[in-house]
Amino acid sequence: DAGVIQSPRHEVTEMGQEVTLRCKPISGHNSLFWYRQTMMRGLELLIYFNNNVPIDDSGMPEDRFSAKMPNASFSTLKIQPSEPRDSAVYFCASSPDREETQYFGPGTRLLVL
Amino acid sequence: GENVEQHPSTLSVQEGDSAVIKCTYSDSASNYFPWYKQELGKRPQLIIDIRSNVGEKKDQRIAVTLNKTAKHFSLHITETQPEDSAVYFCAPQNTGNQFYFGTGTSLTVIP
Repeated sequence: DAGVIQSPRHEVTEMGQEVTLRCKPISGHNSLFWYRQTMMRGLELLIYFNNNVPIDDSGMPEDRFSAKMPNASFSTLKIQPSEPRDSAVYFCASSPDREETQYFGPGTRLLVL
Repeated sequence: GENVEQHPSTLSVQEGDSAVIKCTYSDSASNYFPWYKQELGKRPQLIIDIRSNVGEKKDQRIAVTLNKTAKHFSLHITETQPEDSAVYFCAPQNTGNQFYFGTGTSLTVIP
C-alpha cells in the first residue's frame, strides 16, 4: 500500500486566495483526520470523519475552513480566503477505525504571503 | 475536552543513557494510549501504544507504562542512539473517540 497520499506537498499562495488540500487515505480505513501543525500551537486536530461522515469539526478554526469527504478514498480541506496566519503544515491521517493507530500522510506545507 | 500534558518539553541525554517522557491526561475513561515519533521535517509515526487493560508493553528498546489511577503513561527508551533524536508526542484517546496530542517532547541524544 502506498500509505496516505497528500497533495500538493508544498503550496505558496497570496492572502485572499483559495487553497485546496487533498488527501487519499489508506484503502479500507474507516476514519480520516485533518491536523494542522505550527511551532506555536503544536499539532491540532481540525476535523475527523468516520465512514465519510464528519464526526467532530470543533477544531476547525473558523468559517474560512471547510472539509469534505465525498467518498471513502478522497477528502479535501479548503481555506477560503486564506490568511498569513494559516501558514502551517497540514497533515491528513487515516486509521482502520476510531480506536486504532493513525497513519499520517507526508503533509502539505502551506505558506500564505 | 481532554487536558494532555507532556513532561519534559525538552530532554538531552548522552548516547547509551535512558530517556523517560511522561504524559498526563484528564479523562479517566480514556482507553487507548499511543506514542508517536516525529523526526525533523517528517510525519508523526506510531512507535508504541498500550490499551487500558494492560500496565506495561515493551518493544526492544522502547517501553510504555500506564498508571490509570494516576492518569498518566510514560515512554521509556533505553540505550538511546542518535537516531532516537526527534519530537515525541503522546495522544491519549478519550471517551469521545477524540485524540488529543500532547505538546511534544524534543529529545536530543548526544553522541
